[in-house]
Amino acid sequence: GQNIDQPTEMTATEGAIVQINCTYQTSGFNGLFWYQQHAGEAPTFLSYNVLDGLEEKGRFSSFLSRSKGYSYLLLKELQMKDSASYLCAVRDSNYQLIWGAGTKLIIKP
Amino acid sequence: DAMVIQNPRYQVTQFGKPVTLSCSQTLNHNVMYWYQQKSSQAPKLLFHYYDKDFNNEADTPDNFQSRRPNTSFCFLDIRSPGLGDAAMYLCATSRGAQGVDTQYFGPGTRLTVL
Repeated sequence: GQNIDQPTEMTATEGAIVQINCTYQTSGFNGLFWYQQHAGEAPTFLSYNVLDGLEEKGRFSSFLSRSKGYSYLLLKELQMKDSASYLCAVRDSNYQLIWGAGTKLIIKP
Repeated sequence: DAMVIQNPRYQVTQFGKPVTLSCSQTLNHNVMYWYQQKSSQAPKLLFHYYDKDFNNEADTPDNFQSRRPNTSFCFLDIRSPGLGDAAMYLCATSRGAQGVDTQYFGPGTRLTVL
């Protein structure tokens, strides 16, 4: 079966750095996405990785290792507005998106 | 601004009473998706259209139907809602091209079944 694993919940402090991990087992690989979802709202696109390595976008970076089936999302200089769920999704060989259940990130002052 | 619009944002229906949710897009994307998402769970793909080609997920109940009368609009019909169908329903679109093909989501419709 296809599977995406993420921690259910993480807590971090305003101004700090947090790393949210995602491991996946899918039928093929055609890219990995990270989305941010605030409570009661729709997911919004954050990043896309298809090659190994780090992609940096402002305070957010995403890393991919295809050989390990592993990705992480790194959030720097955390702000209260970063409190949200972060969903990892992998596109498989059929170009279907397989979604993780998301990691709820709680930011404390 | 180009966007994905869903109406209504909140829908209350009675057990067994048919309900229709709507989605429209100004992105001119080829693909439209309907997802069901329950609290703290991954979005679950119900079906998607590539242009007029309808693709139903194998485990989508027959109670759920969809229509796409034109490029801009897509509807989700729930013929006989049960209590278990209470959820957030998300519409998304994508170009349907190779490469990144990011999905863009509407704000969702939260369905309550009484």
